[in-house]
Amino acid sequence: GAVVSQHPSRVICKSGTSVKIECRSLDFQATTMFWYRQFPKQSLMLMATSNEGSKATYEQGVEKDKFLINHASLTLSTLTVTSAHPEDSSFYICSAQGGSTDTQYFGPGTRLTVL
Amino acid sequence: AQSVTQPDIHITVSEGASLELRCNYSYGATPYLFWYVQSPGQGLQLLLKYFSGDTLVQGIKGFEAEFKRSQSSFNLRKPSVHWSDAAEYFCAVGLYGAQKLVFGQGTRLTINP
Repeated sequence: GAVVSQHPSRVICKSGTSVKIECRSLDFQATTMFWYRQFPKQSLMLMATSNEGSKATYEQGVEKDKFLINHASLTLSTLTVTSAHPEDSSFYICSAQGGSTDTQYFGPGTRLTVL
Repeated sequence: AQSVTQPDIHITVSEGASLELRCNYSYGATPYLFWYVQSPGQGLQLLLKYFSGDTLVQGIKGFEAEFKRSQSSFNLRKPSVHWSDAAEYFCAVGLYGAQKLVFGQGTRLTINP
């Protein structure tokens, strides 16, 4: 149980384009979803927290207009990197948390490369 | 500010040897503590967690961790490692329950045959 998927697993795009990453909870309802960014050989940094049907809460320093988060259903959240630039290249990881648990379950991550 | 420190960036142990990965945290309240493992190409997998109660916590894959409030530590242990344990290990403290996780830098574990 508690499986979280992400799609795509890796994506390469040109500078200036937008990229959408999907995060799905496959076998539970995720009232809260989280988006993290992980730089090479570094830890995970929380970007934003989203509750189903509400606007996402962004961490300090994260541009909400660049990283658009939608959590329209209890099983799906999307992260759209708008007007991507090479410095946005990173590993993006989502996690999901059900209403009755105090545990986050993580997706496998999406490797974004912006050329 | 809340923080998690994993002092060892990289540890190498021989297969069959015992393992201890260190984790220290800074948090004013009673913490929620987690250990996750990240293998290449896979998502973070929860090994174990501590919220309250018995300070020795058993997890999956033969791992255990001990919460020591006096030392602000939550070290991960395994009596005998297997080659498949090679991975990156992250300690995390949960704020507001587990609503916000603060991760340590991670410890990369290499297993010698």
